Amino acid sequence: ETGVTQTPRHLVMGMTNKKSLKCEQHLGHNAMYWYKQSAKKPLELMFVYNFKEQTENNSVPSRFSPECPNSSHLFLHLHTLQPEDSALYLCASSQQAQRDDEQYFGPGTRLTVT
Amino acid sequence: AQKITQTQPGMFVQEKEAVTLDCTYDTSDQSYGLFWYKQPSSGEMIFLIYQGSYDEQNATEGRYSLNFQKARKSANLVISASQLGDSAMYFCAMRGYSTLTFGKGTMLLVSP
Repeated sequence: ETGVTQTPRHLVMGMTNKKSLKCEQHLGHNAMYWYKQSAKKPLELMFVYNFKEQTENNSVPSRFSPECPNSSHLFLHLHTLQPEDSALYLCASSQQAQRDDEQYFGPGTRLTVT
Repeated sequence: AQKITQTQPGMFVQEKEAVTLDCTYDTSDQSYGLFWYKQPSSGEMIFLIYQGSYDEQNATEGRYSLNFQKARKSANLVISASQLGDSAMYFCAMRGYSTLTFGKGTMLLVSP
C-alpha cells in the first residue's frame, strides 16, 4: 500500500449505531488530519494531530471522537450521528503540521446516516 | 481569520486550450502558503501546486502554473493544454499561522 488509505470507502449507519473510520498513511509523515466535505460547502477541518498529539479540534461535536495511536494511523469513532453528518470524510497527512507542508489526502469515506 | 474565494462555480474548456481558475484570499498573516488541489469524481484530493507568500517567482509544475499577485491577493491556477482527464473539481487553499482553509471549489469540464 502506498500513500494514504481509508476504510471503509462507503458506510451506511443508523443514528443509534457506533462505527469507526480508519485512516493509514504510508508516507512517514508526522501530522494527520480529518476533514468533512458536505455538498456545496467548503472542506471543513475537524481535527489535527501532530506527532500523535491532538493540536486542533475545530469545534466538532462530541459524537465524533478521534484517536491517533501512532503517527501512521488515525481513527474517527462515530456514535449517535445525525442525518446532517452524512458527508465525505477525508483523511490527510503531511510531514508536519507546518505552513508549507502539502497535505496528501486519502480517497475518503462516503458516510450516509439514516 | 482566513478566507478563500473561488467565484467560478463551473468552467468549460476545449481540449488543448488553456484555462484559468480564479482564487482570491484574505488573511492578516504576514507569511502564508497557497495550494491548489484537484478532486476527481473518485473523491481523492490530489495536490497540484504550492506558492509561498515570499516566493518571488510564480510556481510551476508541468502544465500547472500559479499566477500569484500578492498586492491583489490573488492566486489563480493556469492549466495549459487542457486534457480530458483534467475534468474535476479544483480547490484553492491557504495556510497561514492557522490550519489549511479551502475555497468552495470550481468544477472544470474539458470537452473534446
